[in-house]
Amino acid sequence: DAKTTQPTSMDCAEGRAANLPCNHSTISGNEYVYWYRQIHSQGPQYIIHGLKNNETNEMASLIITEDRKSSTLILPHATLRDTAVYYCMNYGGSQGNLIFGKGTKLSVKP
Amino acid sequence: GAVVSQHPSWVICKSGTSVKIECRSLDFQATTMFWYRQFPKQSLMLMATSNEGSKATYEQGVEKDKFLINHASLTLSTLTVTSAHPEDSSFYICSANARAGNQPQHFGDGTRLSIL
Repeated sequence: DAKTTQPTSMDCAEGRAANLPCNHSTISGNEYVYWYRQIHSQGPQYIIHGLKNNETNEMASLIITEDRKSSTLILPHATLRDTAVYYCMNYGGSQGNLIFGKGTKLSVKP
Repeated sequence: GAVVSQHPSWVICKSGTSVKIECRSLDFQATTMFWYRQFPKQSLMLMATSNEGSKATYEQGVEKDKFLINHASLTLSTLTVTSAHPEDSSFYICSANARAGNQPQHFGDGTRLSIL
């Protein structure tokens, strides 16, 4: 089962920052947190991952709390094309696979 | 960046037909690939793990004789849905594990399978 929990849905105004939270209080100290998104009828797209330090790339920023019990994905200037389901995950499967929860459906509105 | 190519993008065929889906890692070698299935408005569920040079590992409830997996090289895994029926209609997605350290998995664009 997934070790992460996320809100079911969120709305964000176009051009504003989208902050997507994730709780992962039961992951172990050496488990990375990975964020992916899935736009309708496409395969999941990798966004960013981190262990305990904050991370930033061309797509997003990842803020991980000091106790590693939660993290926040930040899309600094959301566009309509960022509308998707966002998944926060860890490699927790028995085969070393990612475990998909239900994710957060982000709707970016004009 | 790492790219995974999946083919075909969509298939429509008659009941009883067998359908083969290919998953290729284009710029890295993947000793492990994963096959997922996604039904409408649901999340991805792992079907099986494809290991290069050995038998695939299937998740509980997935029929290995119905979903044949072959991982003959470090860059190609295939999933064959044998004698497909309408209930097999779904979105099938593969991913390749380019894990060196904690590098992320990368996913194909999926195959929409519709059985009439």
